[in-house]
Amino acid sequence: EVQLVESGGGLVQPGGSLRLSCAASGFTFSDHYMDWVRQAPGKGLEWVGRIKNKANSYTTIYAASVKGGFTISRDDSSNSLYLQMNSLRTEDTAVYYCARVRLCGSTGCYRALDYWGQGTLVSVSS
Amino acid sequence: IQLTQSPSFLSASVGDRVTITCRASQGISSYLAWYQQKPGKAPKLLINAASTLQSGVPSRFSGSGSGTEFTLTISSLQPEDFATYYCQQLNSDPPTFGPGTKVDIK
Repeated sequence: EVQLVESGGGLVQPGGSLRLSCAASGFTFSDHYMDWVRQAPGKGLEWVGRIKNKANSYTTIYAASVKGGFTISRDDSSNSLYLQMNSLRTEDTAVYYCARVRLCGSTGCYRALDYWGQGTLVSVSS
Repeated sequence: IQLTQSPSFLSASVGDRVTITCRASQGISSYLAWYQQKPGKAPKLLINAASTLQSGVPSRFSGSGSGTEFTLTISSLQPEDFATYYCQQLNSDPPTFGPGTKVDIK
C-alpha cells in the first residue's frame, strides 16, 4: 500500500524557517518524481514544486511564489522527501501536502498526482 | 497556463447529472487531471489524461475534452460526491490547478 506521511509543520514567526519531511512507503520511491502542493485556509490548491528522479538529475522546479525561498530535496536511500522553507511570510500559512507523480505509461506522460499524504499545517504568525 | 472552472459553486440533489467545465488559457491537448477533495482530507485523483478513470473511481464519473475545454461529469450524484473538484493542467511547468468547483447539497 502506497503511503505518504508528512511531518514537521508548526507555528513559526515571519522570517523564520521550517523543514517539512515526507516519508514514503509501498512503492519504488526512487523511480518517481515527487511534488509539494499547499492549500491556504479556505482556499484552493497551489502547486509548490517538484523534484525529479535520479535519471533526470534530481532537477527541481518551483512555483514563482516560492522560488528562492523554498528548496526541495530527497533521499532515495531512506525514501524521504523534504521541503526547506526559509524567509517565511504570513501568506505561506497553509496545509502542505506531498504527492507522488505518476510514471509515464504506454499512452504517454500524464504526470498527475496519484497519491497524496494527509498534509501538515504550517502557520506563519507573530 | 491559466485554468478557469465553471461554475465556482454548484448546488445539486442526489441523482442529478452534474457537469463541471475547466478551460485552459492555451491548448494543452489532453494533459488534464481532475481531483476530488472533501473537507479536511487530501485531494484524490479521479481522472488523468482528460478522460482516463483512475482505478477504483466509480463509473458515474467521466471526463472529456481536448485542447482548451474540458468537462467532468457525474452522471448520477451520490451523497459521497459532495466535495470540491479541481482540474490541473499537466502540459507544461508549473502544473497549475484550477480554482475549484464546490458541489453542495441542494
